[in-house]
Amino acid sequence: KAGVTQTPRYLIKTRGQQVTLSCSPISGHRSVSWYQQTPGQGLQFLFEYFSETQRNKGNFPGRFSGRQFSNSRSEMNVSTLELGDSALYLCASSLGGDEKLFFGSGTQLSVL
Amino acid sequence: GIQVEQSPPDLILQEGANSTLRCNFSDSVNNLQWFHQNPWGQLINLFYIPSGTKQNGRLSATTVATERYSLLYISSSQTTDSGVYFCAVAISGNTPLVFGKGTRLSVIA
Repeated sequence: KAGVTQTPRYLIKTRGQQVTLSCSPISGHRSVSWYQQTPGQGLQFLFEYFSETQRNKGNFPGRFSGRQFSNSRSEMNVSTLELGDSALYLCASSLGGDEKLFFGSGTQLSVL
Repeated sequence: GIQVEQSPPDLILQEGANSTLRCNFSDSVNNLQWFHQNPWGQLINLFYIPSGTKQNGRLSATTVATERYSLLYISSSQTTDSGVYFCAVAISGNTPLVFGKGTRLSVIA
C-alpha cells in the first residue's frame, strides 16, 4: 500500500508570490492534516480535513488555506508569501478519530 | 491548550547503549503517539499508545495516563536510531495532535 505522497519535494519562491502544495493520503484514509515545521517553532498544526470538510484549524493567518477533494487528496495554499513562511510543510493522513497518523516526506519551501 | 514537554532535549549514545525518553503532558489525553524523524526529515510513526505498554523489536513504550507521562525505551541502540523523537498528544478524537519539541538522539559508532 502506497504511503502519503507530497509534491513537490522542494520549492523556491519569492516574497509576495503564492504557492500550492499537494498531498495524496494513504488509500482509504479520509482525514488529512497539515503541519508546518520550523527550527524555532517545531511542529505546528495548520488544519485538518475530513471528508472534504475542514474539521480543525490552527492558529495561522488567513493567507494559509486548504481544501480536500472527493478522493481525499488535499491541497494547501499560501498566498502573499513572507520570509517567515520558509519551512518544511508536512501532510499526514489517518482513518480519522483516534487513529495512527502517517506522514508524507514533506515539501521544503524556501521563500527568498 | 495542552502542553507537551519532552526530555532530555538532546542525547548522545554509544552504539549498543540503552536509553529512556520521557514525555510529560498537562491534561488528560485519549491519543498519544511517538514518532521518529530521520535525518532526511521523514516522520515515522512508532507507537499509538494512549495507555499501557507496547513493544516493537528494540523499542518499547509505556504510557501512564493517570500520571500524565509516557516513556519510550530504546535498547541496544544503533546508528540508524539517530534523529529526533517526538511525542504527540490529543485530548479527544476530533482534536489535532499537539507535538512536543522532541528529543534529538545521536548514536555514535
